[in-house]
Amino acid sequence: DAGVIQSPRHEVTEMGQEVTLRCKPISGHNSLFWYRQTMMRGLELLIYFNNNVPIDDSGMPEDRFSAKMPNASFSTLKIQPSEPRDSAVYFCASSFLHGGQGMGQPQHFGDGTRLSIL
Amino acid sequence: SQQGEEDPQALSIQEGENATMNCSYKTSINNLQWYRQNSGRGLVHLILIRSNEREKHSGRLRVTLDTSKKSSSLLITASRAADTASYFCATGNYTGANSKLTFGKGITLSVRP
Repeated sequence: DAGVIQSPRHEVTEMGQEVTLRCKPISGHNSLFWYRQTMMRGLELLIYFNNNVPIDDSGMPEDRFSAKMPNASFSTLKIQPSEPRDSAVYFCASSFLHGGQGMGQPQHFGDGTRLSIL
Repeated sequence: SQQGEEDPQALSIQEGENATMNCSYKTSINNLQWYRQNSGRGLVHLILIRSNEREKHSGRLRVTLDTSKKSSSLLITASRAADTASYFCATGNYTGANSKLTFGKGITLSVRP
């Protein structure tokens, strides 16, 4: 079975450029999560979607970051304009959550996009 | 802010020994999960324990949960060099439609062959 697929795996770009990260969740999963991982701050949740609807975006650092999920099989995280402090590994994860009953399910992670802003 | 905090931050053991990692958290939870991350890869789910459970086993893994002390431990028995990785605990606290995990900063485990 295909896992969560992220692209690109690596991105190096100059400050001020627009960056778009892509994610394809596992088929059948109804929740999708974007995380950022750095040595200093660890793994931070940026935003998550349930049934394609953004539920919690309180972790999005600022207006330069935006995320969309136009359908159940695709999501993007966009940074515009990018800054050197955005350099990090960005992970996408998906899960199947049972209707807010608090059951909780494991999250399945992609291998991440390593982003370097020069 | 971090909910789960792992202890120790780094652990180095000999192959065949047991590895014990601890996690403490601050607020009430619905469940607690442990994940492994190999270098350059995404996190992989290991085990989930619900707030009404005290102990759970999966192969060489044993997880305990003490909700009165707000702590959990992950025991890996008979460690192997392939267990070398970072290990994270994540707490799940679900309120209404908001279902998300909060991860700790992780423990780096090195298993020497």
